[in-house]
Amino acid sequence: ETGVTQSPTHLIKTRGQQVTLRCSSQSGHNTVSWYQQALGQGPQFIFQYYREEENGRGNFPPRFSGLQFPNYSSELNVNALELDDSALYLCASSLYPAGRGGSYNEQFFGPGTRLTVL
Amino acid sequence: QQPVQSPQAVILREGEDAVINCSSSKALYSVHWYRQKHGEAPVFLMILLKGGEQKGHEKISASFNEKKQQSSLYLTASQLSYSGTYFCGTEDSSASKIIFGSGTRLSIRP
Repeated sequence: ETGVTQSPTHLIKTRGQQVTLRCSSQSGHNTVSWYQQALGQGPQFIFQYYREEENGRGNFPPRFSGLQFPNYSSELNVNALELDDSALYLCASSLYPAGRGGSYNEQFFGPGTRLTVL
Repeated sequence: QQPVQSPQAVILREGEDAVINCSSSKALYSVHWYRQKHGEAPVFLMILLKGGEQKGHEKISASFNEKKQQSSLYLTASQLSYSGTYFCGTEDSSASKIIFGSGTRLSIRP
C-alpha cells in the first residue's frame, strides 16, 4: 500500500508567479484535502476534493484553485504568488469526506511541499 | 471557527503525565488528534465521535465531552518519543472540512 506522496519537496518562486503542487492519494482513498501550514501554526484548510468535485473550501482567495483527477490524485494551483504564500503545503487523503466516515476518517498526510516566495 | 487548544506549550520530564485540551464553539461531529514532529507531516493518533467517547492508544488516550464541545488528550508516563506538536482537528457535520487548532508543543526531557 503506497502512502501519500507530494511533489516537489521544495520550491522557490518570485512574487507574481504561478505554482502547481501535486499530490498522490493513498490507494483506495477518494478524498483529498489541501492545507497551508505557516511556521509554528496549525494546518489551515484550503479545500477538499471528493470524487473529482470540490467538496468544501476554507477562507482562501480564488487564486488558490485545485483539481482532482480520475485516479484521485490532485493538484493545487496558486496564481499571482504573494510573499505570505510562503508556507508548507500539505495534502491529506482519506476514505471519506469530512462529516462522514465516522471512525474511519483519519487523514493520511503527505510529507508536504515547502514553498518559498521571494 | 478554529478550536482553541491549551496549553500552548508544556515541558515534562520523562515519566510525567500531561493533558492537552481542545474546545470548540460549534457542535461537533468528531474530534481528531494528530502529532507532528519537527520537519515531518502530522501523524494520526485517534478520532473521537459525538456521543461522548473515550479512546486509548498505548499510553495516550482521549475523551470527548459532546455537551461541552471539548476534548482532552491524556499522555501518561511520557516517553522521549512523545515530543512534538499536538493538534486537534474538529469536524462539524454542516461543513466539509476539518479545522485544526494552533497546536500544543510538548517537550520531554530525560
